[in-house]
Amino acid sequence: GAVVSQHPSRVICKSGTSVKIECRSLDFQATTMFWYRQFPKQSLMLMATSNEGSKATYEQGVEKDKFLINHASLTLSTLTVTSAHPEDSSFYICSALRDRGSNEQFFGPGTRLTVL
Amino acid sequence: SQKIEQNSEALNIQEGKTATLTCNYTNYSPAYLQWYRQDPGRGPVFLLLIRENEKEKRKERLKVTFDTTLKQSLFHITASQPADSATYLCALLARGGKLIFGQGTELSVKP
Repeated sequence: GAVVSQHPSRVICKSGTSVKIECRSLDFQATTMFWYRQFPKQSLMLMATSNEGSKATYEQGVEKDKFLINHASLTLSTLTVTSAHPEDSSFYICSALRDRGSNEQFFGPGTRLTVL
Repeated sequence: SQKIEQNSEALNIQEGKTATLTCNYTNYSPAYLQWYRQDPGRGPVFLLLIRENEKEKRKERLKVTFDTTLKQSLFHITASQPADSATYLCALLARGGKLIFGQGTELSVKP
């Protein structure tokens, strides 16, 4: 199989704090991972593409200094929401590409972030 | 501008009937289209992929069609079951391997 995990599954934090979310490919190596955000009843919106060993590519309108992405190994990418505010409360989902030639993405279970 | 649209209204059907969900897109020429299932509070789960040169694809009770002239894909679940209740998302492949998702259609199958 191709399993992707995320940690934590839920996090509640105070406004102004930073939160780190981990995305791991458990049984395969992923050179490319993607980070999405999903608001209630809305679609998944791509935030950034994370490539192992290089800088992430951010989508238009996503602040790279606010959403720090690190893809330090072939099985781990992290998303850090810095100085979180209530409007950052959302469902954050990562996905990973298992094979370079394939475009099938395997998704993690998501992380629910609530900023008070 | 590029758009992907799915039925925004929830679809309610009776168990045993066929559910049909629609995905329309504009200003894209995707090489392929994917369908995912998403349960509340969970990440999407891949169901089917259909390529631009394929008209139809089947997997067990699932069937997907892809009409590049109409710029539309239809997703069918035959002999639907309450366990099929979920939100179904279509997604197109954009440049750089990025997936662009529709907003999803919520399906509710009543026993």
